[in-house]
Amino acid sequence: SAVISQKPSRDICQRGTSLTIQCQVDSQVTMMFWYRQQPGQSLTLIATANQGSEATYESGFVIDKFPISRPNLTFSTLTVSNMSPEDSSIYLCSVGSGSNTGELFFGEGSRLTVL
Amino acid sequence: AQKVTQAQTEISVVEKEDVTLDCVYETRDTTYYLFWYKQPPSGELVFLIRRNSFDEQNEISGRYSWNFQKSTSSFNFTITASQVVDSAVYFCALSEARWGYSTLTFGKGTMLLVSP
Repeated sequence: SAVISQKPSRDICQRGTSLTIQCQVDSQVTMMFWYRQQPGQSLTLIATANQGSEATYESGFVIDKFPISRPNLTFSTLTVSNMSPEDSSIYLCSVGSGSNTGELFFGEGSRLTVL
Repeated sequence: AQKVTQAQTEISVVEKEDVTLDCVYETRDTTYYLFWYKQPPSGELVFLIRRNSFDEQNEISGRYSWNFQKSTSSFNFTITASQVVDSAVYFCALSEARWGYSTLTFGKGTMLLVSP
């Protein structure tokens, strides 16, 4: 299994500001996935980040709002731009197990509260 | 489109009771994988089990057991003799094949509260 570290673990942000979440993996991985979990809700995939190429965004998510970087095989960042209270969520970084079964390992998440 | 339904939003039991969490899925893929994850109050997601679509054998791991029935598209999870530490949100998930990789579609989760 992979060990995934996310920073910050939690933050309180003001409306209109942007915050960048960092995700560090202890091994090299091809694909990294960013999920959002709104309060009391399920996990929704935001985008898939492949090293060396543009991230692929799911329906309802756009690059201007959630820019992603993937500079190498162990690191990725997700920025939540121009935040509003509706962006208050847990943002989770995840990586595949390498088995192509869809099994994912998750970081502990970054809990953002937007005032 | 992929869909995972967990009809039970919240379940409350008393310690030592058995509890079953339901999961129903929809997919057009012929090969797929089903998962259960646990999310305790601390927030991290803990992998519990993976099941592929060709293996309908039930599985038991300690107090946990899983019943996969392809005919009804269900993958239910039973905790026997529940304990307070089992209190968490449990998510059922379904693999979604993409070009060269797979992602997961999650159900809305079932919050399990086990009281002493």
